[in-house]
Amino acid sequence: NAGVMQNPRHLVRRRGQEARLRCSPVKGHSHVYWYRQLPEEGLKFMVYLQKENIIDESGMPKERFSAEFPKEGPSILRIQQVVRGDSAAYFCASSLTLRTEATDTQYFGPGTRLTVL
Amino acid sequence: SQKIEQNSEALNIQEGKTATLTCNYTNYSPAYLQWYRQDPGRGPVFLLLIRENEKEKRKERLKVTFDTTLKQSLFHITASQPADSATYLCALKGDRGSTLGRLYFGRGTQLTVWP
Repeated sequence: NAGVMQNPRHLVRRRGQEARLRCSPVKGHSHVYWYRQLPEEGLKFMVYLQKENIIDESGMPKERFSAEFPKEGPSILRIQQVVRGDSAAYFCASSLTLRTEATDTQYFGPGTRLTVL
Repeated sequence: SQKIEQNSEALNIQEGKTATLTCNYTNYSPAYLQWYRQDPGRGPVFLLLIRENEKEKRKERLKVTFDTTLKQSLFHITASQPADSATYLCALKGDRGSTLGRLYFGRGTQLTVWP
C-alpha cells in the first residue's frame, strides 16, 4: 500500500555533473507529474507523462532537462550539466486517470532535494 | 498569464480559533480547485477538492468555499490545533487542452497555531 516513492531523498552534485531523480508512482497509477520547488517559491509544474509518452513538457527547460516514464520501471527526471540554479526540491506526483476529479487527484512523493555545489 | 495569490505568507492564531486562508486567482477558469497541506521537508498532502459548480465542501474540521465570480476560494480550519501548523497550498487544475493534467500552485500560507 505504498504511496509515491522518490529516490534519492537528497542528492548532492557538483556543477557540470548529471542528476538522475527517480519516481515510482502509486501502484496502478499511469499518470506522472514532476514539479520543482525553489526556496521561498511555490511549486512549479515541469512535465506530465503517461507510460512511454510525454503529454506536456511545457514547464520544463528545453536544454539539459529530460524526463521519461518507461513501460517498466520508475519515471526518471534527468538534469545534465547541473548548475547552482538547479538546486531545489523536485516533487513527483501520480494520478490514476483524468476521467473524474476524484481519479485524477494528484498524490505527491516526499521529494528529492538537489544541492549543486 | 495565470496568477494565483494566497492572502498572506504567514498566519498566526490561537488554539481553538478558526483559521481562514484565502486564495485568489486571475486570468483563469479552473475546472476545480484543490487545497494541499505541506509540512517542512515533505511533499504536499491532498486535503480537499471543490468543483466550479460547488459553493462549499466540508471534511471534518475543514471547510472550503469557491466563488467563481470573485475568483476566490476560502479555506477554513475550525477548532484549530497546534498539529494544524503547516503550509497550506491552493492549487488550480488546468482547463485547456494538454494543460489539463497540470496543477497551478499558489506560494502557500504558513499557518502557526499556538497553545
